[in-house]
Amino acid sequence: AQSVSQHNHHVILSEAASLELGCNYSYGGTVNLFWYVQYPGQHLQLLLKYFSGDPLVKGIKGFEAEFIKSKFSFNLRKPSVQWSDTAEYFCAVNSRDNYGQNFVFGPGTRLSVLP
Amino acid sequence: DAGITQSPRHKVTETGTPVTLRCHQTENHRYMYWYRQDPGHGLRLIHYSYGVKDTDKGEVSDGYSVSRSKTEDFLLTLESATSSQTSVYFCAISDRGDRTNYGYTFGSGTRLTVV
Repeated sequence: AQSVSQHNHHVILSEAASLELGCNYSYGGTVNLFWYVQYPGQHLQLLLKYFSGDPLVKGIKGFEAEFIKSKFSFNLRKPSVQWSDTAEYFCAVNSRDNYGQNFVFGPGTRLSVLP
Repeated sequence: DAGITQSPRHKVTETGTPVTLRCHQTENHRYMYWYRQDPGHGLRLIHYSYGVKDTDKGEVSDGYSVSRSKTEDFLLTLESATSSQTSVYFCAISDRGDRTNYGYTFGSGTRLTVV
């Protein structure tokens, strides 16, 4: 069965600091990988996704993620965070063999950015 | 945002009563999902549907049932609500055939409190 782990439960940064949120998955086949963000009181929104090709994926709001197949990782990065990035971030994976089948989500990482 | 709405947005109910949550989409997407979100657990799949009258269980399906009598509506029913079902419930939709936009689109969530 697929599973997703996220390294940190809660990350606290000051504005302008660099961000890296870890995500590892376990699945033997080929996968699609996603990062979602949930701002306080809101629903989840897609930040970025990886299907194939260039392992460095750029998303919205200056976020990027790198797929490292050998490490089963898909870490999220941002060079300089803003107070408005305060949110919860979820990594998700699903099997490329079954488009539309359910995703598996990580437990989430709460990011607090101090002004 | 995509055309997906959940109702009600908030509900307080008593233990032992039945509750039905509704997810309505106007995107004509084939796949629909119900997740619950709890602190420390991320999102966990309750049930999903891959077409009208076609549904299947997710990892936390006990105590829940679903129905999909038409493409646009996916109903989640708690047959006899318990306090452990206090949670935020998210509906999601996806379109298997459209890789450009592939991924989940989430509804705004329903906050259910069972007292």
